[in-house]
Parts: sequence; C-alpha cells; structure tokens
Amino acid sequence: AQTVTQSQPEMSVQEAETVTLSCTYDTSESDYYLFWYKQPPSRQMILVIRQEAYKQQNATENRFSVNFQKAAKSFSLKISDSQLGDAAMYFCAYRGGGDMRFGAGTRLTVKP
Amino acid sequence: NAGVTQTPKFQVLKTGQSMTLQCAQDMNHEYMSWYRQDPGMGLRLIHYSVGAGITDQGEVPNGYNVSRSTTEDFPLRLLSAAPSQTSVYFCASSPGTPRDGYTFGSGTRLTVV
Repeated sequence: AQTVTQSQPEMSVQEAETVTLSCTYDTSESDYYLFWYKQPPSRQMILVIRQEAYKQQNATENRFSVNFQKAAKSFSLKISDSQLGDAAMYFCAYRGGGDMRFGAGTRLTVKP
Repeated sequence: NAGVTQTPKFQVLKTGQSMTLQCAQDMNHEYMSWYRQDPGMGLRLIHYSVGAGITDQGEVPNGYNVSRSTTEDFPLRLLSAAPSQTSVYFCASSPGTPRDGYTFGSGTRLTVV
C-alpha cells in the first residue's frame, strides 16, 4: 500500500519570508499524481497544487511551487512571500490508480 | 452552489447509538470517498466508491457501512457508535481520472460520549 510521510508536525515562518514543507512517499506504481492541500481553521480542504509524476517540470501556482524528486520519492512545497493567510494545516497527498492517501499534515504558523 | 454537501456539521452521539452521515455531490463525479481526520494522523480513508453500485473498503472500515445507489449520494452509516469514532469526517468526490484532486465537503464533527 502507498504511504505518505510528512516529518514536520509544525513549522513557522516570518511574514514575507519563504518556507518549505517536506513530504515523502512510498509506491511501486509508475504513474501517479501528488497534491498539496491547505486546511485553514475553517476546516475546508483547499487544493493548492498538483504534480503529475510523468512530468519532470515542477508545478507552480503563484507563490506556491513544488520540488518533485521522483527517484527520491520526495515532494516538497515551497511557499514564497508568506502571508498571514497562509497559516493553516498542509497535507501532502498521493493518488495512483484510485483513491487518495494523505500524510499526517504540517501545521504552518506565520509570524507578523 | 455546486460542490459536495455534508450534513450534519456537528453531532453528539451516545455510545451504542447509530446514525447516518449524509453526503451529496452535484458534479456528476464518479469517485466518492469518506475520510476521518484525527490529530496527528491526517486523513484516513474509510470507504470509497468508483461508481453507483460499487463500494470498497479503505484503511479503517470497521464500524462503518456505505452504499452508493445513485451517482449523487454516498451516505456513511455508523452501526453502533463508540468513543473511538469521535473524529471529523469528510466526504469527497472527483471525476474518474486520477489526475483530478478531490473536492471536499465541509466536514462533520462527531463526538461519541
């Protein structure tokens, strides 16, 4: 079974600075997709960014970008120019042929 | 508004009671799933469905039942509630291709006393 590991339960960043959240996964599948979700205090799950495993180019969405290292099975999220509204739980997720599996999450605090 | 609708948002049950968490989506999505979220454990898959009439177990299925009689609805039944089922429950749906992320409902906070 696929597993997703987020080794940083909590992270903090100064407003306007850059922070990187780590994620590793384990799979024997060759075709899969990776996601980062944000969960603010409202509890709503919000898709931040997606990466297709067959693409070598790292995905970017405005201030959010990923560092995808397929051989190392690593998928980190970089948030640039951090804003107070970025404070939330962040979940890394894996999806192969069917359902989606999640990591334990990283709580990000943004300091003004 | 299009999306995934979960009801209720909050619920308190006594040990041994049964209840059904409702989930409906209006996006004609094939995939639907139920997750539970517990502190330090992320979201764990309870049951999922790849289409009407088809369901399968996830990581933590014990104590829960599901059915999928229509594309739109995917209710989760707690047969005999236990304190270990205290959690936040999310329903999610997606189109049939793995590249699509899930769209989530707003969650149900369930407390079993």
